[in-house]
Amino acid sequence: AQTVTQSQPEMSVQEAETVTLSCTYDTSENNYYLFWYKQPPSRQMILVIRQEAYKQQNATENRFSVNFQKAAKSFSLKISDSQLGDTAMYFCAFIVNAGGTSYGKLTFGQGTILTVHP
Amino acid sequence: DTAVSQTPKYLVTQMGNDKSIKCEQNLGHDTMYWYKQDSKKFLKIMFSYNNKELIINETVPNRFSPKSPDKAHLNLHINSLELGDSAVYFCATRGGARAGGFTDTQYFGPGTRLTVL
Repeated sequence: AQTVTQSQPEMSVQEAETVTLSCTYDTSENNYYLFWYKQPPSRQMILVIRQEAYKQQNATENRFSVNFQKAAKSFSLKISDSQLGDTAMYFCAFIVNAGGTSYGKLTFGQGTILTVHP
Repeated sequence: DTAVSQTPKYLVTQMGNDKSIKCEQNLGHDTMYWYKQDSKKFLKIMFSYNNKELIINETVPNRFSPKSPDKAHLNLHINSLELGDSAVYFCATRGGARAGGFTDTQYFGPGTRLTVL
């Protein structure tokens, strides 16, 4: 069974600074995908960034980047130049790629509440 | 133009009632899901359908019954509601090569907050 662990229940950062959210996972699979989703107070689940496990290059999306360490099963999210709108709960999630498809379920971490202070 | 929509957004009801939540997607995706987010914000899958066929049923009580009348819709019917059913229920869809987007990525609806009194 896959598990995802986010060890930081809450984090805070000043506007314009950089913050890193941690995520570790456990799996015996070799082919999978990792995601970070953001859930602001509106409760909408918004995809922030995705990483394919077979790619060594870390994914980046504008101010968001990941540090993917496959051997260590670690997948942290770095937010640069934090903005007030980044205040949200962030979920790390994992899905196995089975035979070229991934019908399967997303397994989520417990979430990290990030507060950006002005 | 909303990609994944859910109705209603809020649902307040009494214990013992039967209620339904509807999900519709206009992305042309083949796979749809129901997730439950509990009071501690933990998200867990309940069901998954692919082309109207049930492919995941994650030890959910029989009182929960999903129904997919067509590929664009996945509804969730709950019988005999209990206090513990209070949660936010999310519908999600997974991209397919034909529909565009990443085939591994799930896109979520806005959620339905269910409160059982």
